[in-house]
Amino acid sequence: AQSVTQLDSQVPVFEEAPVELRCNYSSSVSVYLFWYVQYPNQGLQLLLKYLSGSTLVKGINGFEAEFNKSQTSFHLRKPSVHISDTAEYFCAVRGTGGFKTIFGAGTRLFVKA
Amino acid sequence: DAGVIQSPRHEVTEMGQEVTLRCKPISGHDYLFWYRQTMMRGLELLIYFNNNVPIDDSGMPEDRFSAKMPNASFSTLKIQPSEPRDSAVYFCASSLARRTSYNEQFFGPGTRLTVL
Repeated sequence: AQSVTQLDSQVPVFEEAPVELRCNYSSSVSVYLFWYVQYPNQGLQLLLKYLSGSTLVKGINGFEAEFNKSQTSFHLRKPSVHISDTAEYFCAVRGTGGFKTIFGAGTRLFVKA
Repeated sequence: DAGVIQSPRHEVTEMGQEVTLRCKPISGHDYLFWYRQTMMRGLELLIYFNNNVPIDDSGMPEDRFSAKMPNASFSTLKIQPSEPRDSAVYFCASSLARRTSYNEQFFGPGTRLTVL
């Protein structure tokens, strides 16, 4: 079984500042890792994914995440945020042999002018 | 492509009433997932189907909840009778199985259910 912990429920940040949203996971098997974004009143949209290979993955809207196997972490980063990045961000994990995706509780990113 | 379509977008009902939520997956996708999102419990997988067959329904909270997928282009999630604690946003997602790579889930816009 897998589990996901998002360490921050809310992250306020000023526009053009860098941001990091933290995610830790646990699993007894190999996993795929994801970050999804949910804008108000919308469904979830895939931001980026780690399947294998390079531990630094780049996604849409300038976001990137780094897979750290020893620390079982998959933190999301963006060097300079925009007002439009205000949304809820979900870290998720799935065993490579299955279809059941486990989502974290979400981190609400609030970008201030 | 129209994406995953859910209806209704909003539903307000009274306790004890039957509620039916509907989902049309992306054409050609062979997996369909139902999720529930609440402030208290976050995003929970309720059930998922492969080729119209329920594979894992361990997330269905109780017998009041049932889901069907009569064909590849339509699924329903039914709550009977509904209770105030069922109030949540219900998402449907679909994906296409690929033998050699990851199967991204595409989410619908959700149905916001309020049970009074």
